[in-house]
Amino acid sequence: AQSVAQPEDQVNVAEGNPLTVKCTYSVSGNPYLFWYVQYPNRGLQFLLKYITGDNLVKGSYGFEAEFNKSQTSFHLKKPSALVSDSALYFCAVTLYGNNRLAFGKGNQVVVIP
Amino acid sequence: KAGVTQTPRYLIKTRGQQVTLSCSPISGHRSVSWYQQTPGQGLQFLFEYFSETQRNKGNFPGRFSGRQFSNSRSEMNVSTLELGDSALYLCASSQRAGTGDYNEQFFGPGTRLTVL
Repeated sequence: AQSVAQPEDQVNVAEGNPLTVKCTYSVSGNPYLFWYVQYPNRGLQFLLKYITGDNLVKGSYGFEAEFNKSQTSFHLKKPSALVSDSALYFCAVTLYGNNRLAFGKGNQVVVIP
Repeated sequence: KAGVTQTPRYLIKTRGQQVTLSCSPISGHRSVSWYQQTPGQGLQFLFEYFSETQRNKGNFPGRFSGRQFSNSRSEMNVSTLELGDSALYLCASSQRAGTGDYNEQFFGPGTRLTVL
């Protein structure tokens, strides 16, 4: 079975400061990892993915994530947070060739002006 | 390209009724997946359809069913509605080029179902 843990319910950060949203995963195989963002009353928007290759993945809107196999982590980062980054962030995992995403519970990010 | 569209956006039903939700994938996408989002359980996978065939199924009762048409549009049906079925139902599409390739899923805005 595949699962994702997002240990923090809410992340508060001041505008302009670095933003980190944590994610750890558990799969019996090589994981495909994703980050999605959800704004109120909207569906999920794709941010970035890790399939293979370079452990540092760059995505949309200045976000990046680092895959760490030994720590089974895939933390999302942004060097300088914007107020508009305030949203719900989901980490997800699936196995090779499988469209069945397992999501974490989500992290509410609040960027304080 | 137009994104994933879902209709209706909002729906109110009463217990015991049934409901059908519709999803139109991005043009050229052949895989459609459905997810249920609730405050308590979060995002949970319902099922995936590819080329009119169900490829994966989540851990939901048989009251939840779906189908896919030859144009890749998909519908999901929930029969004998329960209060706990109140949720945001999200549809996602991907190209699903086949084994050895993987494409991210693009989500629609969802259908908000309220069961009274």
